[in-house]
Amino acid sequence: TQLLEQSPQFLSIQEGENLTVYCNSSSVFSSLQWYRQEPGEGPVLLVTVVTGGEVKKLKRLTFQFGDARKDSSLHITAAQPGDTGLYLCAGAMGSGYALNFGKGTSLLVTP
Amino acid sequence: KAGVTQTPRYLIKTRGQQVTLSCSPISGHRSVSWYQQTPGQGLQFLFEYFSETQRNKGNFPGRFSGRQFSNSRSEMNVSTLELGDSALYLCASSARTGVEREQFFGPGTRLTVL
Repeated sequence: TQLLEQSPQFLSIQEGENLTVYCNSSSVFSSLQWYRQEPGEGPVLLVTVVTGGEVKKLKRLTFQFGDARKDSSLHITAAQPGDTGLYLCAGAMGSGYALNFGKGTSLLVTP
Repeated sequence: KAGVTQTPRYLIKTRGQQVTLSCSPISGHRSVSWYQQTPGQGLQFLFEYFSETQRNKGNFPGRFSGRQFSNSRSEMNVSTLELGDSALYLCASSARTGVEREQFFGPGTRLTVL
């Protein structure tokens, strides 16, 4: 059972466009993380959000944690080809360290 | 600090064999978790070790096992390999402090079962 649902699954856009990726669940998470993964490599941590309603910015990337800590979004402004990759959200529940992952959003940014 | 290292990076085995994968966490991190990544199921949690003890276990058969050594290095073992075990096996290390639950992943071991 996938606790986290990501949408869209695939996204192909041109350089300079904006996009938003969603990560939704009916479960409450104590923290939620976003990773980017490139083919053949492990996921690289982008950000961790902990507080409901929290917004974090990382250059052109804006991450938001829902007020009820059940969902999150990732917004990319003026996407660049270097943003291409698989974006994964992952949540930790309670005091555990097992991360529940969404299936990911595969993003392709073409010049 | 050096990142998480995993060996080997690639492995080819045949059905019925067993395999051992190794993971060295970031220096100072005492928690190591293992995940299996497949195109159909995505990333799924296998188990977590902290201070040489298994703390959490995912929903995988008993053929999947692991252990952690006193230097925090971890190994996972898969016995009686099946075709469906072909996957990228990822190891993640954590300092296991704070509420963030941040985990840092290695590059993975690509296992192919023929």
